[in-house]
Amino acid sequence: ETGVTQTPRHLVMGMTNKKSLKCEQHLGHNAMYWYKQSAKKPLELMFVYSLEERVENNSVPSRFSPECPNSSHLFLHLHTLQPEDSALYLCASSQEEALSTEAFFGQGTRLTVV
Amino acid sequence: GESVGLHLPTLSVQEGDNSIINCAYSNSASDYFIWYKQESGKGPQFIIDIRSNMDKRQGQRVTVLLNKTVKHLSLQIAATQPGDSAVYFCAEWAGGTSYGKLTFGQGTILTVHP
Repeated sequence: ETGVTQTPRHLVMGMTNKKSLKCEQHLGHNAMYWYKQSAKKPLELMFVYSLEERVENNSVPSRFSPECPNSSHLFLHLHTLQPEDSALYLCASSQEEALSTEAFFGQGTRLTVV
Repeated sequence: GESVGLHLPTLSVQEGDNSIINCAYSNSASDYFIWYKQESGKGPQFIIDIRSNMDKRQGQRVTVLLNKTVKHLSLQIAATQPGDSAVYFCAEWAGGTSYGKLTFGQGTILTVHP
């Protein structure tokens, strides 16, 4: 248990569906991240929220929409996804400070788009 | 572009042997490195980190070596156990942000045979 909880663990959705992934951290961190992990690819950083403001958006398609209502919660809203969006979506959090940027990861949501 | 990569995608060892997992990085401005372990069905888990002002750091059964001259990072696991079987990722942080914007390598699959 890393203190970062993601739900659901598994999700199957059609290309016309709308769904949301949820992440909650209990570590008191002030930065949260969404990563995408596809087979045979490095983890890809999607979004970064620092102090509840989005500070990074790495050319992610608009069918992925993040939301950070407070420092403990992070959502990823999904709509009209494509089969190639099937992947493991990982949430992480860290505490902003100069000496350490270790990120704590959740278990991930395994997303399958059919 | 800048990238972090791994020399060997798979490594098989016998229980009790020492394991060495290698990582090459290309961004000479990187000043913080982390090794993560990812077991099947789980998110990446922090193992050990090292800053660029160090060339060696030891943890419990693990040692990370950093050679800035050749931009090479390695993770040594002593007396490898079946529970060490997982995918191992190196990640680098090039600084410039206060939050942990990490770039991950592709990963090495470590298999430990009893």
